[in-house]
Amino acid sequence: EVQLVESGGGLVQPGRSLRLSCAASGFTFDDYAMHWVRQAPGKGLEWVSGISWNSGSIGYADSVKGRFTISRDNAKNSLYLQMNSLRAEDTALYYCAKGYGDYAAPADYWGQGTLVTVSS
Amino acid sequence: EIVLTQSPGTLSLSPGERATLSCRASQSVSSSYLAWYQQKPGQAPRLLIYGASSRATGIPDRFSGSGSGTDFTLTISRLEPEDFAVYYCQQYGSSPNTFGGGTKVEIK
Repeated sequence: EVQLVESGGGLVQPGRSLRLSCAASGFTFDDYAMHWVRQAPGKGLEWVSGISWNSGSIGYADSVKGRFTISRDNAKNSLYLQMNSLRAEDTALYYCAKGYGDYAAPADYWGQGTLVTVSS
Repeated sequence: EIVLTQSPGTLSLSPGERATLSCRASQSVSSSYLAWYQQKPGQAPRLLIYGASSRATGIPDRFSGSGSGTDFTLTISRLEPEDFAVYYCQQYGSSPNTFGGGTKVEIK
């Protein structure tokens, strides 16, 4: 059974940093691309970032480019999102999602999310 | 980036009726890399359709997707009680990936 468990969310002040983690199990992690998708309270979905199986292809939403960094450790079956210079508009539930295949693929499994609140 | 516009914003229908949801892209979606997701309150999204028209594993055949280029449609042939939810389209052929704003299908 595929499981994706996010952690690392919490309350953080504007301008500070936070690192999200996603522990994956139930599939061959290094065969698939992975993504971060967020959802602000009461709002729609926003793709944040994606990474190919070997980290050779990486992409970011314009809203986070230059502030967020995605990475993965295939030996640890883990995905990360380093978030710097956080803003109030980054407040959201952050989902970790497994790609259906290579980098250009939708997300077929999702975690339950970790909540990030940016507020002073 | 490719902007996806979903319409209508809300669709009020009764169980058993047919639902037709639209997703229009600001530019052509390469290789029909268009997906549809369903999201219920308090739950993560669920992949329904990928490649514009292929059903994901375990998705009932009352869900179908069609379209190409800039115009895509999700059709639910006969609404079941569990189908009332919010539906999102996503293009994943051009970086950055983008989602539409969603269509809520509510009980009339």
